[in-house]
Amino acid sequence: RKEVEQDPGPFNVPEGATVAFNCTYSNSASQSFFWYRQDCRKEPKLLMSVYSSGNEDGRFTAQLNRASQYISLLIRDSKLSDSATYLCVVNSWNTGKLIFGQGTTLQVKP
Amino acid sequence: GAGVSQTPSNKVTEKGKYVELRCDPISGHTALYWYRQSLGQGPEFLIYFQGTGAADDSGLPNDRFFAVRPEGSVSTLKIQRTERGDSAVYLCASSLTGRGSYNEQFFGPGTRLTVL
Repeated sequence: RKEVEQDPGPFNVPEGATVAFNCTYSNSASQSFFWYRQDCRKEPKLLMSVYSSGNEDGRFTAQLNRASQYISLLIRDSKLSDSATYLCVVNSWNTGKLIFGQGTTLQVKP
Repeated sequence: GAGVSQTPSNKVTEKGKYVELRCDPISGHTALYWYRQSLGQGPEFLIYFQGTGAADDSGLPNDRFFAVRPEGSVSTLKIQRTERGDSAVYLCASSLTGRGSYNEQFFGPGTRLTVL
């Protein structure tokens, strides 16, 4: 079983739609949680950190449920430019390394 | 400012050959990481340097893989006797510090390695 699991998709949605991605992680010692965005043939870039209290950045909302070991990302009012792969990532402070999920591919259509 | 740079951007080699991949981290970043990304997968951790020393090399798949960071800045990932299964994008990342409260890791553009 992978340490971080995501539905690879693809998710095909029309512009303006709301789309939600989920992931689960197996290591209860994980301490930091993130969503990274990766465009085709580019490097991953940090989209946002994820906190138990939930956090929002414009059209993006991230949520962490530590009890269920579950992380979510909600994108409202999807834009064509949101088309990318979204990677769920966890980290333990005492290891330094990031553990990535497989990624979920989003394609926003006009 | 300058981000993480990696050279070469693409490397094609033959099975059994030796390759070196270079990473230049962001100036002042003490932590450096190597990851490997296969097609359709997320990046997979290989090794993490804090300064000159390898703090965690648990992700190196076997003894054909080796990495160094002799002066605490530039790092080289070395792969001996390459195999077709080594074909992937090798990503380097750096962060201000390593362990402790999270420091954002900034990724380079990667080196796409193809083993024929």
